[in-house]
Amino acid sequence: AQSVTQLDSQVPVFEEAPVELRCNYSSSVSVYLFWYVQYPNQGLQLLLKYLSGSTLVESINGFEAEFNKSQTSFHLRKPSVHISDTAEYFCAVSEKGYSTLTFGKGTMLLVSP
Amino acid sequence: DTEVTQTPKHLVMGMTNKKSLKCEQHMGHRAMYWYKQKAKKPPELMFVYSYEKLSINESVPSRFSPECPNSSLLNLHLHALQPEDSALYLCASSQDGQGDTTDTQYFGPGTRLTVL
Repeated sequence: AQSVTQLDSQVPVFEEAPVELRCNYSSSVSVYLFWYVQYPNQGLQLLLKYLSGSTLVESINGFEAEFNKSQTSFHLRKPSVHISDTAEYFCAVSEKGYSTLTFGKGTMLLVSP
Repeated sequence: DTEVTQTPKHLVMGMTNKKSLKCEQHMGHRAMYWYKQKAKKPPELMFVYSYEKLSINESVPSRFSPECPNSSLLNLHLHALQPEDSALYLCASSQDGQGDTTDTQYFGPGTRLTVL
């Protein structure tokens, strides 16, 4: 069975600073990896995903994540954050052939002026 | 269009009430999911429907009863709930539930349920 670890429950950062949200997974088979964002009192929005091909994936709002198979990681990065990026970020994994997602516990990104 | 809609947005019910949550998608997806999310926690999978058939039931109490009338609609019928069932209930859909590269889950905005 797969598992996902998000070690940081909260990451405080100042506006325009860079940020990295860490995600590590464990699985014995090939996986797909996802980052979802949840703004206060809203549902989950897909931010980006790794399915195959290039290990660096990007979102339309400046986030990127890199799949590192040897380190079993899928860390999320943004070079300059905005106040509006304040939200809960969930890393999730699914195993090829199975649709169910395993979520990490989430990381709250708190951006202050 | 990757929109999943859920109604109502908020629901307050007593422990003796019967109510239903509704979810709809028009992306042609054939798999739909119900999740329960408590505050400050990740979503927990409750049920999965694939091609209108219940394929996964994560040992959910019988006071929660899912229904998939057609490929676009998913209901969750609620009866005799407990206060600890208060949570955000999220619906999601994906291509077909077969777990290939097209099977990304897209979530709705959720229904905030409070049980008094």
